[in-house]
Amino acid sequence: SSELTQDPAVSVALGQTVRITCQGDSLRSYYASWYQQKPGQAPVLVIYGKNNRPSGIPDRFSGSSSGNTASLTITGAQAEDEADYYCNSRDSSGNHCVVFGGGTKLTVL
Amino acid sequence: EVQLVESGGGLVQPGGSLRLSCAASGFTFSSYWMHWVRQAPGKGLVWVSRINSDGSSTSYADSVKGRFTISRDNAKNTLYLQMNSLRAEDTAVYYCARRQGSSSSIAVADYWGQGTLVTVSS
Repeated sequence: SSELTQDPAVSVALGQTVRITCQGDSLRSYYASWYQQKPGQAPVLVIYGKNNRPSGIPDRFSGSSSGNTASLTITGAQAEDEADYYCNSRDSSGNHCVVFGGGTKLTVL
Repeated sequence: EVQLVESGGGLVQPGGSLRLSCAASGFTFSSYWMHWVRQAPGKGLVWVSRINSDGSSTSYADSVKGRFTISRDNAKNTLYLQMNSLRAEDTAVYYCARRQGSSSSIAVADYWGQGTLVTVSS
């Protein structure tokens, strides 16, 4: 089955820009989705498709993709953005399975 | 308002069984694929299973294949996960999640429940 790889931890100064990446073979065929999860809460979808934000997600969140790497960019990070971020995509096995990355802990300094 | 409410978690001995439920409301449940995703304590999200809108097609992660069964009752707006031969490594919070829609990738989960904790221990 496919795997998605994320850096375990990333930090950013308040108000600065941070990029969180996700690598995997499935990303050559399928877009990644991105989820934000705060402690004790369920995940929240923040980016999907080419670069789409669900209603209510601030426009400082954006997504991009190149080759086998997808990226989530937060432009002007806020204190409330401190959270775990997970990417996922459809598995490339052809069995309509899904795979998640291991997650990235974002610290806003 | 879309709501997904999981139930059925609890403490079970290794080798035991448990059935999780996810009650859906606020949308036309029968039109959406659904997922189960789990998260072991302090660990990341792991996809478990998915089912299509009419229940005729399912997929499973290798780690649960042959032990877990996903199903749905569209008349009751409820998703299920039957878990058999449970192991300590199945201990996790189990979330149900809705696939965003047929025009999106199957991986896009736009609504999640709050989760139910399953603990497998003797």
